[in-house]
Amino acid sequence: GAVVSQHPSRVICKSGTSVKIECRSLDFQATTMFWYRQFPKQSLMLMATSNEGSKATYEQGVEKDKFLINHASLTLSTLTVTSAHPEDSSFYICSARLSGGNEKLFFGSGTQLSVL
Amino acid sequence: QKEVEQNSGPLSVPEGAIASLNCTYSDRGSQSFFWYRQYSGKSPELIMFIYSNGDKEDGRFTAQLNKASQYVSLLIRDSQPSDSATYLCAVSVSYQKVTFGTGTKLQVIP
Repeated sequence: GAVVSQHPSRVICKSGTSVKIECRSLDFQATTMFWYRQFPKQSLMLMATSNEGSKATYEQGVEKDKFLINHASLTLSTLTVTSAHPEDSSFYICSARLSGGNEKLFFGSGTQLSVL
Repeated sequence: QKEVEQNSGPLSVPEGAIASLNCTYSDRGSQSFFWYRQYSGKSPELIMFIYSNGDKEDGRFTAQLNKASQYVSLLIRDSQPSDSATYLCAVSVSYQKVTFGTGTKLQVIP
């Protein structure tokens, strides 16, 4: 299967700082990447859809100015959590879809964010 | 009504038994169906996908889809302790969006 790399795997930061998470498709090109958030014992919640070369599409209730998404190339999307607060602490997971109509999603390893 | 519903479990089965995981979905326009396995603290891993009514088998896993009943299931034969994980059902209505259920926790007892 396709490989999606996500870094860092774990971040601990102080309240008010910004955190950048990278998501790379290693062996395929991904025109579309997705960012999910998962709280303990809950399912994946889609935050936004990242499209290469255009603005991301955010789900209802997700603040686009707080969660900045950049998809500058066919293999890289970044999520920046700006001015992080303790309530932003969560498991963030990116996923990518193979270009060409294949709907299967391949997930990165996830980033556990803890905001103190 | 949730878009994708699963029993949260835990579902406990003895080693070697068949584990049966169920999922229902609300949108009749759903076209693609996926099962992901997620170990604690890890990200989901795709294990099965199915697009057409009927059964699809891959090794010890069988996915079953019944669009008339809006029901999809996953059978795991000869369950192993390493199969213990949370299984997420995911449904795609359009090319752009995949919706996940809350997952069923499976425990395989040695």
